[in-house]
Amino acid sequence: AQSVTQLDSQVPVFEEAPVELRCNYSSSVSVYLFWYVQYPNQGLQLLLKYLSGSTLVESINGFEAEFNKSQTSFHLRKPSVHISDTAEYFCAVSEGAGNMLTFGGGTRLMVKP
Amino acid sequence: NAGVTQTPKFQVLKTGQSMTLQCAQDMNHEYMSWYRQDPGMGLRLIHYSVGAGITDQGEVPNGYNVSRSTTEDFPLRLLSAAPSQTSVYFCASSPGGGRLTQGQYFGPGTRLTVT
Repeated sequence: AQSVTQLDSQVPVFEEAPVELRCNYSSSVSVYLFWYVQYPNQGLQLLLKYLSGSTLVESINGFEAEFNKSQTSFHLRKPSVHISDTAEYFCAVSEGAGNMLTFGGGTRLMVKP
Repeated sequence: NAGVTQTPKFQVLKTGQSMTLQCAQDMNHEYMSWYRQDPGMGLRLIHYSVGAGITDQGEVPNGYNVSRSTTEDFPLRLLSAAPSQTSVYFCASSPGGGRLTQGQYFGPGTRLTVT
């Protein structure tokens, strides 16, 4: 069975600093990988996804994530964060032909002025 | 489009009571699902459906029932509420049937407390 581990439950960072949110997964088959963001008191929104092809994927608001098959990781990065990036971020994996999504425990990003 | 809607937003139940959480989507998505969110545990899949008339169990199905009579609606029934079912419940939908390549669209959630 697949599982997803987000290594940090909370990440405090100052505005304009870089940030990396870590995600590791376990699966014996090919996977689709996702990052979702949840702002306070809202549902989740898709941030970016890896399905195939280039291992580096980007979102429209400056986040990027790199799929590393050998390390079974899909870390999320942003070179310079804003106060508005404060939210909880969830990594999720779907086994390629499957129809279930498995989520990590979430990482709360707290951007301080 | 309204997207994915959920009612109610908040609910308090006593142990043993039953209730139905409503979920509807107006995007003609084939795939719909229910998750519960608990602190530190992320989201866990309760039940899902790949089309009208088809449902299946997720990771934590015990104590919950679902049905899918139309493409638009996917209600979640709590048969006999227990304090362990205190959680935030999210409904989500996705195009493309069972393959989740386009990600999922989430509703705003229902916060349920069982006393």
